[in-house]
Amino acid sequence: AQSVTQLDSHVSVSEGTPVLLRCNYSSSYSPSLFWYVQHPNKGLQLLLKYTSAATLVKGINGFEAEFKKSETSFHLTKPSAHMSDAAEYFCVVSGGSNDYKLSFGAGTTVTVRA
Amino acid sequence: SAVISQKPSRDICQRGTSLTIQCQVDSQVTMMFWYRQQPGQSLTLIATANQGSEATYESGFVIDKFPISRPNLTFSTLTVSNMSPEDSSIYLCSVRVRSYNEQFFGPGTRLTVL
Repeated sequence: AQSVTQLDSHVSVSEGTPVLLRCNYSSSYSPSLFWYVQHPNKGLQLLLKYTSAATLVKGINGFEAEFKKSETSFHLTKPSAHMSDAAEYFCVVSGGSNDYKLSFGAGTTVTVRA
Repeated sequence: SAVISQKPSRDICQRGTSLTIQCQVDSQVTMMFWYRQQPGQSLTLIATANQGSEATYESGFVIDKFPISRPNLTFSTLTVSNMSPEDSSIYLCSVRVRSYNEQFFGPGTRLTVL
């Protein structure tokens, strides 16, 4: 079985300051990990993915995430938040015998203060 | 990548009726999935739509309530049957593109049941 836990349901940051969204995963196999973003009334967009290559993964819009097997974590960061980053973020895991099935975290709502 | 369209984009339905949601992909894909996102919640996998055979349902979802068709490699439908207000959700179609090792999501169908 696989699952993810997003440690923060809501993160509020000031524009121009760093963003950190925390995610821990559980998987019996070598997982693939993803971060998706969902803007209000918009579809899901893939920010980045880890699929057993480099542990530091760079994504779109200045986001990156680091896979740490020893900590079973896949935290998402961005050095400088922009107002357009206000959205819902989902950490997602797939892996194991049914490696196409995605398990979504509960989501983290990001608000950006001017 | 894959471009996915869904119809309708939103609907308001009466209790006890059924709604069929269509999902169209711009290329042939092996795996198609249907997810549900209840208000303020994360995404939950309903079923995997298999071409040429019955869909594979996740725990808590049954074919009588959510019948799925997959007549070819670019199209699928999800029917929400005998609806109740608890079925009010966003329903999303997704496809897995093996060469990208990721899933792409449609824009979703926002369903409100009165």
